[in-house]
Amino acid sequence: ELKVEQNPLFLSMQEGKNYTIYCNYSTTSDRLYWYRQDPGKSLESLFVLLSNGAVKQEGRLMASLDTKARLSTLHITAAVHDLSATYFCAVDGREGGSQGNLIFGKGTKLSVKP
Amino acid sequence: DAGITQSPRHKVTETGTPVTLRCHQTENHRYMYWYRQDPGHGLRLIHYSYGVKDTDKGEVSDGYSVSRSKTEDFLLTLESATSSQTSVYFCAISEIPENYGYTFGSGTRLTVV
Repeated sequence: ELKVEQNPLFLSMQEGKNYTIYCNYSTTSDRLYWYRQDPGKSLESLFVLLSNGAVKQEGRLMASLDTKARLSTLHITAAVHDLSATYFCAVDGREGGSQGNLIFGKGTKLSVKP
Repeated sequence: DAGITQSPRHKVTETGTPVTLRCHQTENHRYMYWYRQDPGHGLRLIHYSYGVKDTDKGEVSDGYSVSRSKTEDFLLTLESATSSQTSVYFCAISEIPENYGYTFGSGTRLTVV
């Protein structure tokens, strides 16, 4: 059974601090996705990581993928209140397949406080 | 948004009644998905479609059926709604998932009383 585990599930940060969210998965997939969700809203795509060693950055967020360790990280630099949201990682559920369907972690609820 | 709409946005229904949720896309994407989101579970796949009339089950398909008679529409039906199906339902679309990822609709909040 494919498992996607995120930690921590809850994260309270102070503005200006750095932190990392971890996403471990059990498949050999080399495709991993990060999403952001604000309360009562849909999911917004943040990053699509398609190969081992992939690193992508957007503003204060940076995501990386290590397929050998089956680990992705989402690093937050100098957090600001606007980053408060729930962050999900997701992995393709079909190994080697092109149809694809996403298996999600349970999400990390991030709260950034002044 | 990227041309994906869900209807209705909110619905309250009684236990035992049939309910149909609609996902409509204007992107001509091949793949369409239905997920449900529940506290503590993240998002879980219900059914997906890889073309007109081509569908398959996901992780939590019991009690749900789907149909796709046109590229643009993917319908999710709860044959006889139960309280355990109270949830937020998201539709997603993708053309080449491994390259471009997935785009999600705004969601339908369904309450079964």
